Amino acid sequence: AQRVTQPEKLLSVFKGAPVELKCNYSYSGSPELFWYVQYSRQRLQLLLRHISRESIKGFTADLNKGETSFHLKKPFAQEEDSAMYYCALSGFTSGTYKYIFGTGTRLKVLA
Amino acid sequence: NAGVTQTPKFRVLKTGQSMTLLCAQDMNHEYMYWYRQDPGMGLRLIHYSVGEGTTAKGEVPDGYNVSRLKKQNFLLGLESAAPSQTSVYFCASSSLGLAGVYTGELFFGEGSRLTVL
Repeated sequence: AQRVTQPEKLLSVFKGAPVELKCNYSYSGSPELFWYVQYSRQRLQLLLRHISRESIKGFTADLNKGETSFHLKKPFAQEEDSAMYYCALSGFTSGTYKYIFGTGTRLKVLA
Repeated sequence: NAGVTQTPKFRVLKTGQSMTLLCAQDMNHEYMYWYRQDPGMGLRLIHYSVGEGTTAKGEVPDGYNVSRLKKQNFLLGLESAAPSQTSVYFCASSSLGLAGVYTGELFFGEGSRLTVL
């Protein structure tokens, strides 16, 4: 079954500390992987996707097909990074397009 | 450019009442989705549509119906609301890129908070 797992509901770090938000997935095929972010009182928006291999706001994520993981990392957390982060995957299975989200991780960056 | 617009933003219903949430997008996107967001459960797909006149069930479709009569609109209906349907509902849309290659990004509305008493 297709599934996205984010094991941490809440992650608290101090400003300037490294951050890693974990994401593991289960999918029979080659999915696209994404990270979405929801800042307070704002709508969900795309943060980054694995095919772009880009760094957005200092965040990077590497797709590890062997471990089926797509962890989000940032070397030095900032207070403005506090938000809800969702990992998601998309792909075709049996001719049906699926877009599946994990349960989300709330990141709190403490001053 | 409004993007994805949801109406209403807030609604309180009594058990058994019906209502419709409207999602409108002005980006000419082929795909549209309805999700519900609940604490500890993240975003769960209710129904989605891959084009005008088509709809499909998602992960949690029971108790909901949808229609996509126009490409820009995707309606989510609750025929007989139940307290378990108290949630925040998000609409999203995405495009099918050139030559049918999917571009990947979902564009979300601001959400509709529904309370069923």
